[in-house]
Amino acid sequence: DTAVSQTPKYLVTQMGNDKSIKCEQNLGHDTMYWYKQDSKKFLKIMFSYNNKELIINETVPNRFSPKSPDKAHLNLHINSLELGDSAVYFCASSLVRQGGYTFGSGTRLTVV
Amino acid sequence: GQQLNQSPQSMFIQEGEDVSMNCTSSSIFNTWLWYKQDPGEGPVLLIALYKAGELTSNGRLTAQFGITRKDSFLNISASIPSDVGIYFCAGPPTGTASKLTFGTGTRLQVTL
Repeated sequence: DTAVSQTPKYLVTQMGNDKSIKCEQNLGHDTMYWYKQDSKKFLKIMFSYNNKELIINETVPNRFSPKSPDKAHLNLHINSLELGDSAVYFCASSLVRQGGYTFGSGTRLTVV
Repeated sequence: GQQLNQSPQSMFIQEGEDVSMNCTSSSIFNTWLWYKQDPGEGPVLLIALYKAGELTSNGRLTAQFGITRKDSFLNISASIPSDVGIYFCAGPPTGTASKLTFGTGTRLQVTL
């Protein structure tokens, strides 16, 4: 049983396209996150949702729009993809105020 | 924003050697976490530290919460090939319990 699952694992797309990444957790956590890992492996938070409510929105272009239909799901939609969006995107979950995040295995996005 | 600097940036060691790495912050943290990321996977929590001066072990791993609360250390004893990966320190900046900031990472390579 995968605790935090992301799909797809790999995504190759052309500039200007719109794409979505899906994330689901079965841990009963109430908070979910999206992180971006760049080519230098630096991990930076993008968004955080607690009980379907957006609580963290870092300086991310508004082409990125997260959606949380319920506590167990947090999807990321990206419009008008650019070359610089190429990265690995990680979904994670936790119980609020507990430091231990559980991460998914990542989605490697390549924009060509 | 918060910056967590890790050193060394990378290490090449022989199997059986002990490893030490550290993480420093420009401000105080109340929680320190150490994660490991295997190639193609998301980070996995290794050790959590909640109190200044705390020393915690997890098998061959030992981590310490620095007295100043601005640093933390991770030691790996008798390294083995599966220790290969990137090690990240992380912590929630004061007042933001629901947002983890990650360090710059230490890449560990183990040779036989």
